[in-house]
Amino acid sequence: TQLLEQSPQFLSIQEGENLTVYCNSSSVFSSLQWYRQEPGEGPVLLVTVVTGGEVKKLKRLTFQFGDARKDSSLHITAAQPGDTGLYLCAGNTNAGKSTFGDGTTLTVKP
Amino acid sequence: NAGVTQTPKFRILKIGQSMTLQCTQDMNHNYMYWYRQDPGMGLKLIYYSVGAGITDKGEVPNGYNVSRSTTEDFPLRLELAAPSQTSVYFCASSPRYYKIGNQPQHFGDGTRLSIL
Repeated sequence: TQLLEQSPQFLSIQEGENLTVYCNSSSVFSSLQWYRQEPGEGPVLLVTVVTGGEVKKLKRLTFQFGDARKDSSLHITAAQPGDTGLYLCAGNTNAGKSTFGDGTTLTVKP
Repeated sequence: NAGVTQTPKFRILKIGQSMTLQCTQDMNHNYMYWYRQDPGMGLKLIYYSVGAGITDKGEVPNGYNVSRSTTEDFPLRLELAAPSQTSVYFCASSPRYYKIGNQPQHFGDGTRLSIL
């Protein structure tokens, strides 16, 4: 069973600050996805990364897939209260099975 | 745009009761999934289906059953509810030719289930 460890588990910052959350594994993934989940709702897919070293940007969010495809990071620039939520990463293997991390709960205070 | 629709949104069951959680999607997706999410945890895969008539076990299938008679519907059945099954249940779907892998793309808003 592949394990995905996310850190930190909780993060509370002020509006305007930058932050990075991490998703690490000892296993190699064929692709990795990041989701954001708000209370009372299902996860919403933010991005999928598939190539080692790949960097994708989505407005103020920057996603990076590690060269060895074992880890990933999400960086948020100038965080806003609307960024508050649970950030989940999920790794996918060639066998088609996916594994979710336990998430990072982000709170951005106005 | 309905996407993935789950019913009911909330339910309280007594130990030993049975129920079916409904999930339907209107995007003609072949892949469908059932996950459970416990407080402070990520999602654990219960069952998944790659198309009508085909289902397979995920990481935590014990105590659950599924069926997939149509592309649109993927109900999850609890036969003898136990307190350990108290959780939030999410249904998800993705298109068949999603080459990046079998990762779910679209989630429903969940069913919050309490077993007392």
